[in-house]
Amino acid sequence: DVKVTQSSRYLVKRTGEKVFLECVQDMDHENMFWYRQDPGLGLRLIYFSYDVKMKEKGDIPEGYSVSREKKERFSLILESASTNQTSMYLCASSPPQGTIPYEQYFGPGTRLTVT
Amino acid sequence: DAKTTQPTSMDCAEGRAANLPCNHSTISGNEYVYWYRQIHSQGPQYIIHGLKNNETNEMASLIITEDRKSSTLILPHATLRDTAVYYCIVRAMFSGNTPLVFGKGTRLSVIA
Repeated sequence: DVKVTQSSRYLVKRTGEKVFLECVQDMDHENMFWYRQDPGLGLRLIYFSYDVKMKEKGDIPEGYSVSREKKERFSLILESASTNQTSMYLCASSPPQGTIPYEQYFGPGTRLTVT
Repeated sequence: DAKTTQPTSMDCAEGRAANLPCNHSTISGNEYVYWYRQIHSQGPQYIIHGLKNNETNEMASLIITEDRKSSTLILPHATLRDTAVYYCIVRAMFSGNTPLVFGKGTRLSVIA
């Protein structure tokens, strides 16, 4: 079974802190993604990566950065956390393009609260 | 990828079939229909996909109309654990490494 794990289920941080959210997948997937989910707004893509050291901006990259030094690990970084970054953060991974079915496997999510 | 339209919410009695519709009138020939669901406080989970034929697996059935402009996900005997948000997504066969785009989905409530 594919497993995508996230470092924390719940996290509370203070405004201005630097926050690291870690995601690890064990299926040797090329692609990894970070989404955030807020009530009424659905899932919104922050960043994704299709290879080590490669990254692409999603729909809402402002205030975030990412790091992918190893294939299995994709980190989301909040350089200076703000209260409007309080949200559920979901990591996902997927096999290479052309794979049918195209499945994105999601982690359990990290609920981040910034006070 | 083509746009999809789904009802905002639906109710279903436990033990009955849940039929979740999706409209994708602008779908093109190389686009698949995918269904995912998200149970509360979990990440979305793949359910089923299809191109033009009806499909069935252990979780659900997918009925695609002949003109492919709409589809229906069927949960044959809904249980309380099927309460979730269901997303219908259309994606081209070769979309590169781009991620899935999730709309608002249909919130299905299974009622005892």
